[in-house]
Amino acid sequence: DQQVKQNSPSLSVQEGRISILNCDYTNSMFDYFLWYKKYPAEGPTFLISISSIKDKNEDGRFTVFLNKSAKHLSLHIVPSQPGDSAVYFCAATGNQFYFGTGTSLTVIP
Amino acid sequence: EAGVAQSPRYKIIEKRQSVAFWCNPISGHATLYWYQQILGQGPKLLIQFQNNGVVDDSQLPKDRFSAERLKGVDSTLKIQPAKLEDSAVYLCASSLWGTVQETQYFGPGTRLLVL
Repeated sequence: DQQVKQNSPSLSVQEGRISILNCDYTNSMFDYFLWYKKYPAEGPTFLISISSIKDKNEDGRFTVFLNKSAKHLSLHIVPSQPGDSAVYFCAATGNQFYFGTGTSLTVIP
Repeated sequence: EAGVAQSPRYKIIEKRQSVAFWCNPISGHATLYWYQQILGQGPKLLIQFQNNGVVDDSQLPKDRFSAERLKGVDSTLKIQPAKLEDSAVYLCASSLWGTVQETQYFGPGTRLLVL
């Protein structure tokens, strides 16, 4: 039972353009959402988070949007850089962490 | 500040053998997590410790998996006997207090292949 879904396994974007990564969840009790970034052979590293009381959180080039009615969140990266190429996981928490399946982002120079 | 340490980084065993993984969290972090990440899937929480006590082990297959954190610092995760479907990356993470809004810091993981 996958409570957090990332339906796009991969995404390619030109350097300098916007990357939009999407995530859907099923449990309306989730109250905190996070994005993690993972390079090969490394563990995931925290990127940005958002509480369910907000609909947007911004940190430099990274912005996360939350649409509670649609149970959808997205991560925007502007401008995209080659170093952003990695696997991105969204995660949601209620009483436990649930991770999505990941989206592999490739930023083409 | 040193990160979360895990060993070994890679392990290959045959089915029905046993295997153990070790994790040393960030110094001072009270909460330690073990995750299983099967290829193509996101990490799945196996067990969460708060100091040396278990907070959540609802998704730990207790017939073959066990974990301990005896002194509230480092932890071991054991699989006995291993099955083919246990092939995965086992990630350890730690956080300061274990609240849901805290950042978890992950180690590099142990990649297990069961033949």
